[in-house]
Formats: sequence, structure tokens, C-alpha cells
Amino acid sequence: GQNIDQPTEMTATEGAIVQINCTYQTSGFNGLFWYQQHAGEAPTFLSYNVLDGLEEKGRFSSFLSRSKGYSYLLLKELQMKDSASYLCAVRDFSDKIIFGKGTRLHILP
Amino acid sequence: DSGVTQTPKHLITATGQRVTLRCSPRSGDLSVYWYQQSLDQGLQFLIQYYNGEERAKGNILERFSAQQFPDLHSELNLSSLELGDSALYFCASSADPGAGEKLFFGSGTQLSVL
Repeated sequence: GQNIDQPTEMTATEGAIVQINCTYQTSGFNGLFWYQQHAGEAPTFLSYNVLDGLEEKGRFSSFLSRSKGYSYLLLKELQMKDSASYLCAVRDFSDKIIFGKGTRLHILP
Repeated sequence: DSGVTQTPKHLITATGQRVTLRCSPRSGDLSVYWYQQSLDQGLQFLIQYYNGEERAKGNILERFSAQQFPDLHSELNLSSLELGDSALYFCASSADPGAGEKLFFGSGTQLSVL
């Protein structure tokens, strides 16, 4: 079966750093995605990891440990516009892409 | 603009009815995914097509069906609608999922079943 866990909600302060964790148990692993979704809008791509390690892209970084079934998304220098849901998704060997329920991030001024 | 087009944007219908949601993928993308998003459920994977063939199936109800046509557009058919089918339905396309290509999402169809 497929199981992807993320915290339901998190709160952070503008200018700070926040780490959103994701753990997964899937039947086969062929890559992990992070997407951002503002309320009522379509998800937009943030990052992709298929090998262990850290991928950095501007203010956002994503880390993967395949042996631990674990990933995190790190957001630095938080801005008010970063208030959104962050979705962790795993692709299995059949190319099925399964999403977690998402983490709602609230940014306080 | 992701390049993925979904129509209609909003659909209001009654229980027991049948509706068709349409998706045109980005130019050149062969793979189409359908997802259902309810308020507290996150994105639920329904079905995936690749170049006209069904590739993977999620927890799609028997009342739901889909297909991908030779021109690569896709349709999701929902029949015998129930109140619980009210949700935002997203289509996403990808060039080559096997090569790690990301999904591009359409803006979704908001379905309200009254």
C-alpha cells in the first residue's frame, strides 16, 4: 500500500526558516516531488529528488533519504506569499504519483 | 499558465446525473493524470493515461471512467453522481513520467452536486 505522512499545519514567522517533513511507505520508489498549492489554485512544482541528498533552488531546498523513507522541504527567508499548502508526492515504479494530504503553512508578520 | 487546459471551470448538477470533464495536456505531453481534491482529503489519485493507454489506476469508483483520445486530450466521466462527489477535479500532464518529468496541473474543475 501507499502511505505518505506530513504534518497538517505549521506556523512560522516572516523572515524565518521552516522545515516541512514527509515520511512515506510506498510499493516501489521512483522519485519524490514537492508542490506548492495556494487555496483554490492548482499545485505548482517546487522540487524533485530521486537520489539521496539535498537539492537547493533559491530559497527552497529539498532533502531525501531513501533508506529512511524521509524527505523534508526547507524554506528560508519566509515571505507572506509563502503562506500555502505544501504537498509531498511519491512516484512508484508504475509511474503512479501519490500525494500526501499536504501541510498548511501559516506565515505571521 | 501551465499549458494544461481544463473545461469547464465550474459545474453544478444534481444527484444521479452524469457529467464529463475535459482536459487538454501541454503540447507534446503524452501522459495525463486525474486527481480529485476534497476539502480534507488532499489530492486523491484517480487514473493515469500514457499515449492513449491506461497506465495506472487509483481508488477510482466504478461510477467513474476516463479515456485518452488519439489527439491526447482526456475526458473523465462521472455518473450516478452523489453529494460526496462534490470536489475539485484536477488534470495534470507530464512529458515522460519515467524520466522524472514533473506534473503540470490545469486550473481544475469545481464540481458541485446538489
